[in-house]
Amino acid sequence: GAVVSQHPSRVICKSGTSVKIECRSLDFQATTMFWYRQFPKKSLMLMATSNEGSKATYEQGVEKDKFLINHASLTLSTLTVTSAHPEDSSFYICSASIVNTEAFFGQGTRLTVV
Amino acid sequence: SQQGEEDPQALSIQEGENATMNCSYKTSINNLQWYRQNSGRGLVHLILIRSNEREKHSGRLRVTLDTSKKSSSLLITASRAADTASYFCATDAIGGATNKLIFGTGTLLAVQP
Repeated sequence: GAVVSQHPSRVICKSGTSVKIECRSLDFQATTMFWYRQFPKKSLMLMATSNEGSKATYEQGVEKDKFLINHASLTLSTLTVTSAHPEDSSFYICSASIVNTEAFFGQGTRLTVV
Repeated sequence: SQQGEEDPQALSIQEGENATMNCSYKTSINNLQWYRQNSGRGLVHLILIRSNEREKHSGRLRVTLDTSKKSSSLLITASRAADTASYFCATDAIGGATNKLIFGTGTLLAVQP
């Protein structure tokens, strides 16, 4: 299957700093990627749809100024958690897909804000 | 919330037994996908079933889909300790972007050796 690489897999940062997470489709082009967030022992919640060359579409309740998404090329989307606080600590995971197949997920990024 | 519901929330069985997980969703769908997640790890895709399909098999996995009831089930036969994980259904709704998935609440399966 297609491969989606997410980096870093783990990051610890101090409160008030910003963290960038990368999501790359390694062997296919993705005009659309998705970002999800998962709290411990909970399900995945869709945060936003990342569209290549245009603004991301955020789900209700997700702060677009807090979670900046950039999809500058057909193989790369980035999620920047700005001015991170401990409540932003979570597992973030991206996905991309090819038409008429299943979604392919990155390995996820565990963010801890201290 | 559009999130789907899964039941049971947790299931504990003995090795060799079958495990059945159920998923209900709220919207009309293009397809429904089942994923597995080991604790703290990424997602592993198990099966995709399209809205015009009623049943699908893959190895020890059997998935059914009833679009009239907006429900799906995942059956794992002859379970193994290595099947211990969380299982999620995810729906790809009609009218949304391809593979814009809404996940169910998940079932935590524990298979005792």
